[in-house]
Amino acid sequence: AQTVTQSQPEMSVQEAETVTLSCTYDTSESDYYLFWYKQPPSRQMILVIRQEAYKQQNATENRFSVNFQKAAKSFSLKISDSQLGDAAMYFCAYTLNNDMRFGAGTRLTVKP
Amino acid sequence: NAGVTQTPKFQVLKTGQSMTLQCAQDMNHNSMYWYRQDPGMGLRLIYYSASEGTTDKGEVPNGYNVSRLNKREFSLRLESAAPSQTSVYFCASSEDLSSLAYEQYFGPGTRLTVT
Repeated sequence: AQTVTQSQPEMSVQEAETVTLSCTYDTSESDYYLFWYKQPPSRQMILVIRQEAYKQQNATENRFSVNFQKAAKSFSLKISDSQLGDAAMYFCAYTLNNDMRFGAGTRLTVKP
Repeated sequence: NAGVTQTPKFQVLKTGQSMTLQCAQDMNHNSMYWYRQDPGMGLRLIYYSASEGTTDKGEVPNGYNVSRLNKREFSLRLESAAPSQTSVYFCASSEDLSSLAYEQYFGPGTRLTVT
């Protein structure tokens, strides 16, 4: 079975600090895409960042960056200069063939 | 553009009742999806439609049916609701299923409770 594991159900960070959310996945394929989605209390799913498995360079979107370790099947999300608006559930996901598989999520709390 | 819209936002059903969740997108996307979100389990794919006129099962299709009415609309039907179908349901769309890179755009979700 192809799975996505987020080992941290909850994380907390002080405003302006940096936090890293972990994600590991299991696939035997070589070509796939990885995503981090954010779900604030409004329930709306919002794409944060995406990474193509073929690209060695880690993706970056403003304060969000990833550490992609293909051999280890690890895809962590780093949030720098955390803001109160970053508080949300964060889901790691990957697409393969006709499917997108999600992890169980990490709830991030940002303390003022 | 409204993006992806879903109706209703909330619904309470009794066991055995039927209902249809509606989804529409105005982004001219080819592919559409239905997910359910349960506590501690993330999102799981129920059904998807790669393009108008086609539908396929996802990870958890049992107890559901879908219809791709046209390019814009993709509905999810529960024929005989069960308490195990209590969940939050999300519809999503993407430009084309054949490209793994395409972002999926999600609707606001429907919270369904089956008593």
